[in-house]
Amino acid sequence: DQQVKQNSPSLSVQEGRISILNCDYTNSMFDYFLWYKKYPAEGPTFLISISSIKDKNEDGRFTVFLNKSAKHLSLHIVPSQPGDSAVYFCAAKGTSGSRLTFGEGTQLTVNP
Amino acid sequence: DGGITQSPKYLFRKEGQNVTLSCEQNLNHDAMYWYRQDPGQGLRLIYYSQIVNDFQKGDIAEGYSVSREKKESFPLTVTSAQKNPTAFYLCATYSGFYNEQFFGPGTRLTVL
Repeated sequence: DQQVKQNSPSLSVQEGRISILNCDYTNSMFDYFLWYKKYPAEGPTFLISISSIKDKNEDGRFTVFLNKSAKHLSLHIVPSQPGDSAVYFCAAKGTSGSRLTFGEGTQLTVNP
Repeated sequence: DGGITQSPKYLFRKEGQNVTLSCEQNLNHDAMYWYRQDPGQGLRLIYYSQIVNDFQKGDIAEGYSVSREKKESFPLTVTSAQKNPTAFYLCATYSGFYNEQFFGPGTRLTVL
């Protein structure tokens, strides 16, 4: 069963506009969530994270929102830039251990 | 220069041959992971190791084997029993300080 789901395989936005990437999870034991960015033929790089005790975390142009009751998180990128074009993975971690469960990824394309 | 090394970047093998992918780290992290990425399927966990001389199966361990004789090294062997070995393989480590996984650059394995 897919415990972390990213239902949108792709998203296309105009440069300067907002990009919103969504992620849903089913496991109530997840208490820490991360977003990774990945370019083709490279390893993912960490972008931003949020603990379940918070509902928002901001880092520059990137903000992650967590809605625990809905088991939903989203990544907002404002303003979007062409260099943001990549695959974005949502990941979740349980209360113990270091294992991450990843979503399928969303390909973001930012058009100039 | 700290980091995770995966070699080679591209690897070609004939069907029926075993192949070993290298993963070396000098980050002094205890936990290490192997993932496989296929188009549209995100990152799927193959094996992981929390400490030297110990490892556990992930979600798709069939047809793979690992060893963890040294903290710095976590090689993955893709055996002839793996039905669809062609994929992009990623190695990662976990930092408890940063509470995130760090990824290597990946190895693209193509079985002909």
